[in-house]
Amino acid sequence: GAGVSQSPSNKVTEKGKDVELRCDPISGHTALYWYRQSLGQGLEFLIYFQGNSAPDKSGLPSDRFSAERTGGSVSTLTIQRTQQEDSAVYLCASSAGTRGGNQPQHFGDGTRLSIL
Amino acid sequence: KNEVEQSPQNLTAQEGEFITINCSYSVGISALHWLQQHPGGGIVSLFMLSSGKKKHGRLIATINIQEKHSSLHITASHPRDSAVYICAVPSYGGSQGNLIFGKGTKLSVKP
Repeated sequence: GAGVSQSPSNKVTEKGKDVELRCDPISGHTALYWYRQSLGQGLEFLIYFQGNSAPDKSGLPSDRFSAERTGGSVSTLTIQRTQQEDSAVYLCASSAGTRGGNQPQHFGDGTRLSIL
Repeated sequence: KNEVEQSPQNLTAQEGEFITINCSYSVGISALHWLQQHPGGGIVSLFMLSSGKKKHGRLIATINIQEKHSSLHITASHPRDSAVYICAVPSYGGSQGNLIFGKGTKLSVKP
């Protein structure tokens, strides 16, 4: 597609439920990033993919968070047993190059997750 | 690990004013990014620069690698420029590591 696509755009769920967030990067982009932005806070790195591999998972806040990427394209971020502190906007970005600062990152519109 | 500071945190300007937003970082880098986040939440990459100056329309970004400092300028500001402006650098300096982000500067331009 023309840009990074994320779905759903909004998700409201009850505490304790599992959620899956999807990211479709720009076609041909090998690097994919997940970020989180809590209310009033800055962007926080979660995980980075190069192809289907995730060399850096250091930003995942707990073992309830996991992510995968298949076919070097679509990525899914899964949060198990959601907690209220998981409420945030989850943003996905992709870039043409490898990790780091030398390629512009293209962001999706994000998924706004609300845990009741 | 790199640290990023932006100033000011909030900025209110009258339409037509010249705007400057500053960003400083602690570890040498290969490139710095300026991003714009609209009130609806969407993020757009404005600039990626490694030296000197870049210009796009009314936006100008400069970087001083020796001083580890960058500025984003907006000339003839307009209410549609109202947004949060964020700078970002590689977390481990050079080009290594994921990006880390400043806390952003919230700009409001009044007509």
